[in-house]
Amino acid sequence: EDKVVQSPLSLVVHEGDTVTLNCSYEVTNFRSLLWYKQEKKAPTFLFMLTSSGIEKKSGRLSSILDKKELFSILNITATQTGDSAVYLCAVVNAGNMLTFGGGTRLMVKP
Amino acid sequence: EPEVTQTPSHQVTQMGQEVILRCVPISNHLYFYWYRQILGQKVEFLVSFYNNEISEKSEIFDDQFSVERPDGSNFTLKIRSTKLEDSAMYFCASTEGIGDYEQYFGPGTRLTVT
Repeated sequence: EDKVVQSPLSLVVHEGDTVTLNCSYEVTNFRSLLWYKQEKKAPTFLFMLTSSGIEKKSGRLSSILDKKELFSILNITATQTGDSAVYLCAVVNAGNMLTFGGGTRLMVKP
Repeated sequence: EPEVTQTPSHQVTQMGQEVILRCVPISNHLYFYWYRQILGQKVEFLVSFYNNEISEKSEIFDDQFSVERPDGSNFTLKIRSTKLEDSAMYFCASTEGIGDYEQYFGPGTRLTVT
């Protein structure tokens, strides 16, 4: 059974701090790993990672995948209150099925 | 920007009733999915659908669930006889192809079974 574990479960930081969110996985026939941000309703896409060691960046957010150690991290630098959300990691298997982790709830205080 | 839409946004039903949740995937997408998220729990895969048939389904997707693409645009999830534990947010998603394609999620339908 595919499994995704995220840590920490929750995190409270102040604006300007840098955070690192972790995602480890076990999946049969790994295809890719996705990061999503979930604020109130639907998850919104952040990154798709398929290759080890290649950092993806979007503004203050970046992510990298290690397929040997089976984990990924999501970094957010200079956090803002608008970054407060649940961050979801999901792995995609060969059948294109997503298995989600439980999420990391990030709260950024002013 | 194209988006996945879902209706209704909130559905309240009595236990034992049938419900149909509707989704309109992005128009050129070929693969469609349903997920659910029980309050406070993780998002769970229900079913994937391609070429008018189910590609994959999870253990959750038992005989009381069915999916259909009744026309060229809608993708529906039917729950035949709802149970209290079916109360959840149901998300539809679609993707252009299989492989390295992002799954776009709809805004969800909150189903409350009383």
